[in-house]
Amino acid sequence: DSGVTQTPKHLITATGQRVTLRCSPRSGDLSVYWYQQSLDQGLQFLIQYYNGEERAKGNILERFSAQQFPDLHSELNLSSLELGDSALYFCASSVPGRDYNEQFFGPGTRLTVL
Amino acid sequence: GQQLNQSPQSMFIQEGEDVSMNCTSSSIFNTWLWYKQEPGEGPVLLIALYKAGELTSNGRLTAQFGITRKDSFLNISASIPSDVGIYFCAGRQGGATNKLIFGTGTLLAVQP
Repeated sequence: DSGVTQTPKHLITATGQRVTLRCSPRSGDLSVYWYQQSLDQGLQFLIQYYNGEERAKGNILERFSAQQFPDLHSELNLSSLELGDSALYFCASSVPGRDYNEQFFGPGTRLTVL
Repeated sequence: GQQLNQSPQSMFIQEGEDVSMNCTSSSIFNTWLWYKQEPGEGPVLLIALYKAGELTSNGRLTAQFGITRKDSFLNISASIPSDVGIYFCAGRQGGATNKLIFGTGTLLAVQP
């Protein structure tokens, strides 16, 4: 158990819908990262938040957005869903300092868009 | 999206055998991480490497940060059935972002 929690575990929805994925980082971790894992693209970085502020963006679509709240939990919002958005979405967290580079992953949310 | 080259793509071995896999990039990284992922789970951090040439062990696992900073290697000695999974390398290039770029993965199957 990494200490990172994600809900829900599974999500099935239809095209055009909007969903919200939730992540709680490890206790004390200030940074939250979101990754998407698909068969064709592998694990891809989407976005990073540090202590409530957006720190870096990766291959995140404009239809997707995220935020980190004062209690440090984060939400990833996916809208106007398409079939190709079906994937595993992982949240990871880390602390500053020497372990800054060590990201600990949650169990993921499997999104299926029908 | 960007992915690092990992080889081999898959390995099917007997219990007790040693395993080697590597990860290469055309870019320089200042941190290399190795993760293991099992079905239905998130990646689990195995080893972190921070300096070129660094050799780090975690039980039966040993990883090395390549001298050129463009590659990394993972060895597993005396494999056991619970080593089964997909092994990913990940690199961090530095700068303000801490984003990781992941490898394509190596699927390891161990026959008892």
